[in-house]
Amino acid sequence: DQQVKQNSPSLSVQEGRISILNCDYTNSMFDYFLWYKKYPAEGPTFLISISSIKDKNEDGRFTVFLNKSAKHLSLHIVPSQPGDSAVYFCAAHGSGTYKYIFGTGTRLKVLA
Amino acid sequence: DTEVTQTPKHLVMGMTNKKSLKCEQHMGHRAMYWYKQKAKKPPELMFVYSYEKLSINESVPSRFSPECPNSSLLNLHLHALQPEDSALYLCASSQASGGNTIYFGEGSWLTVV
Repeated sequence: DQQVKQNSPSLSVQEGRISILNCDYTNSMFDYFLWYKKYPAEGPTFLISISSIKDKNEDGRFTVFLNKSAKHLSLHIVPSQPGDSAVYFCAAHGSGTYKYIFGTGTRLKVLA
Repeated sequence: DTEVTQTPKHLVMGMTNKKSLKCEQHMGHRAMYWYKQKAKKPPELMFVYSYEKLSINESVPSRFSPECPNSSLLNLHLHALQPEDSALYLCASSQASGGNTIYFGEGSWLTVV
């Protein structure tokens, strides 16, 4: 049972435009959400996170939105750059646990 | 630059070999993790240590044996592995309280022949 899902396996965006990556979760006990970027043969790199008490968090070109009622979060990258091309994973964490559950990933390709 | 360091970066071992993966962090984190990642799959949790004590074992086969010698170091001892154990093994660390970011190392690529 996949508790964290990223339904789009891939996404292509023109350079300079907005990239929107989506993530859905099923467990209402999740209270902290993270986005990671991963290049081939490297470990995931932390991008941005959001606590369940917020609905938006922004860091430079990256903004994460959380819709708790829909159990949905999204990552916006504006403007997209070719160096953003990678696989993006969302992850969810439940209060009082050490379990971080990862989504299946979305491969983003930013076209120059 | 990642502050979680993993060695070796690549490892090839036979099914009868004994080898170890090593991980070190200097962020003062008291929780350390081993994850396994196969191609085109998300990272899967294997073990969690909290304050040097094993906190979570996700029903990992005994041919994988974790060890946490101190708060900065985490090892994964490998013995009698199978070819299907070939994967990227990721070490990570975080603060020990909830709602924290988990930081990953670069990973160790393991090939079992």
